[in-house]
Parts: sequence; C-alpha cells; structure tokens
Amino acid sequence: EIVVTQSPDFQSVTPKEKVTITCRASQSIGSSLHWYQQKPDQSPKLLITFASQSVSGVPSRFSGSGSGTDFTLTINSLEAEDAATYYCQQSSTLPYTFGQGTKLEIK
Amino acid sequence: EVQLVESGGGLVQPGGSLRLSCEASGFTFSNYWMHWVRQDPGKGPVWVARINGDGSSTAYADSVKGRFTISRDNVKNTLYLQMNSLRAEDTSVYSCVRAAPMDCWGQGTLVTVSS
Repeated sequence: EIVVTQSPDFQSVTPKEKVTITCRASQSIGSSLHWYQQKPDQSPKLLITFASQSVSGVPSRFSGSGSGTDFTLTINSLEAEDAATYYCQQSSTLPYTFGQGTKLEIK
Repeated sequence: EVQLVESGGGLVQPGGSLRLSCEASGFTFSNYWMHWVRQDPGKGPVWVARINGDGSSTAYADSVKGRFTISRDNVKNTLYLQMNSLRAEDTSVYSCVRAAPMDCWGQGTLVTVSS
C-alpha cells in the first residue's frame, strides 16, 4: 500500500498570506495525485487533479505542483473562506490512499 | 446538476448485514467508474471499493475483502454496497463517489456496528 503523508497537520494563517501544503508518497506515483478541500459537515471537494491540473470552478489562487513522490498545494492570497481541511490522494495504485489531512485555520 | 444520494445506513449488531444504496442523477451513470469511501469524524477518507462502468470489474480494500460486495444497476442509476459479517471497526460514514479523480461525492450515510 502506498502511504501518503501530508505536512503540516495544522496551520494557522492570516488572510492574504501564501500557504503551502506538502504531500509525500512512499513510492513514485508519477502525477497521479489529487487535492481536496473539506469544510465542516461537507463532503470533500476536488481542487486539483493529476498534481497540477486545475478544476473548473475552483478559484485560481489554488495551484499544485510536483511529480514522483513530492507534491505541493499552494494557496495564494488566502481568503477567510479557505478555512478547511485539505487532503491529498493518490490514484496510481490500488488501494487508493489519502493523506491524514492538513487543517487550515484563519486567524 | 450532478447528484449522489446515499441511503441504507443504520445501527446493526456485530456479524450482521446491511445494504447501502446510492442513487445517481445528472450524468450518464454507466459511463463512470464508481467508488465507496468511508470517513470517521476528524479523520481522512478511506477508500473501500470500486466498480467499473458496466460492473464487470471490482476491487476492494483488504479490510473488507470477502465481506463487502460492490455492485451497480445502470438501469436504475444506482450503486450498491452489500456489507456482511460487520464488525465494530466498520462503523463509519460511507459515501459514494464518482470516478477518480473523485469529482463528485454524496453526503454519506452513517453505519454503526454495535451490540
């Protein structure tokens, strides 16, 4: 099973700040890495597909990069509505696995 | 509007069975692979099972293999998860999810396994 590890687990940030969340896979997964946003009492929402591809309707301040084992989700100019937990997920090999999540708190 | 609505959750005793359903609307259901994913409060999602568009190929997490069966009815636009020999550790919120990348999630249905 491919283990996916995110960092940090928690981050407290101010509006307009730039945020970087990293995701590391235990073996190479190419670009088969996706990012999701989950707000309290809601289902996860797809943000970025295949490491860096944008999703229709997602604000352009969200971007992704990386390949192989190391990936990054960047949020430019953070807004209050971005308070949520962010997950990465690999779809290279079954079982599909998710990171443990990064909770973003807005100060 | 693309929509997935789960039903069938509830309280069941250890060793019991439950069948979850997920009704899909707003898209051509048979064109998409579908998944079941579970999530405990405060924890990350965990993939459970997946099925291809015509139902001929399935895959399961090791923790449920041999106990759970994923299936679909493309006429009724409905995904199923038959859950047998349930254990306390199967307690969770189960959601049906479209495709991978997982671009549409249902709200989930709570399964509680307890005596």
